[in-house]
Amino acid sequence: SQQGEEDPQALSIQEGENATMNCSYKTSINNLQWYRQNSGRGLVHLILIRSNEREKHSGRLRVTLDTSKKSSSLLITASRAADTASYFCATEGVIQGAQKLVFGQGTRLTINP
Amino acid sequence: SAVISQKPSRDICQRGTSLTIQCQVDSQVTMMFWYRQQPGQSLTLIATANQGSEATYESGFVIDKFPISRPNLTFSTLTVSNMSPEDSSIYLCSVDGAETYEQYFGPGTRLTVT
Repeated sequence: SQQGEEDPQALSIQEGENATMNCSYKTSINNLQWYRQNSGRGLVHLILIRSNEREKHSGRLRVTLDTSKKSSSLLITASRAADTASYFCATEGVIQGAQKLVFGQGTRLTINP
Repeated sequence: SAVISQKPSRDICQRGTSLTIQCQVDSQVTMMFWYRQQPGQSLTLIATANQGSEATYESGFVIDKFPISRPNLTFSTLTVSNMSPEDSSIYLCSVDGAETYEQYFGPGTRLTVT
């Protein structure tokens, strides 16, 4: 399965600290994406990194991708209470001839005020 | 980006009944996706719905249990048939970005089967 595995499963930090979440996957990919989900609602796309990119920034988010290790990390700097959510990585690639997006298990992030 | 709405937002249903979930997009899209998210779990793709053709189901999901309609380029429905408590989940629809690879998700339908 191409499913990403994320760690940690849960992370609790103080407001203002940085949060780092990791994602590993098994097969070749076209790109890797990170999504946020608040309280069981719809997912919001955060950032996409292509397989030929190594690092990408968007505001307080920094994503890295190491295709040799089949892993990615999401760093949220200067965390805020509003960052409390579940974060999912998703890998896009060709599975059985079709382009598909496969989600990891997610990291539940809690920011304590 | 696309704006997606789903109806109902939540429902509590009796086992053995069926529920149809609607997904409306504010722009025309080729493919729409239906996902299931069981409590505390990740998203699992149920099927891909193309307008004008039958939906393509993922392993473990069958048309008799999850019939899908795609009557036009902005609308789709997913029916959860003959429900059991194991069908209690959040059901989400999504679409691809027009020029990019990210997906846009609806707010989800939280289904509880008693």
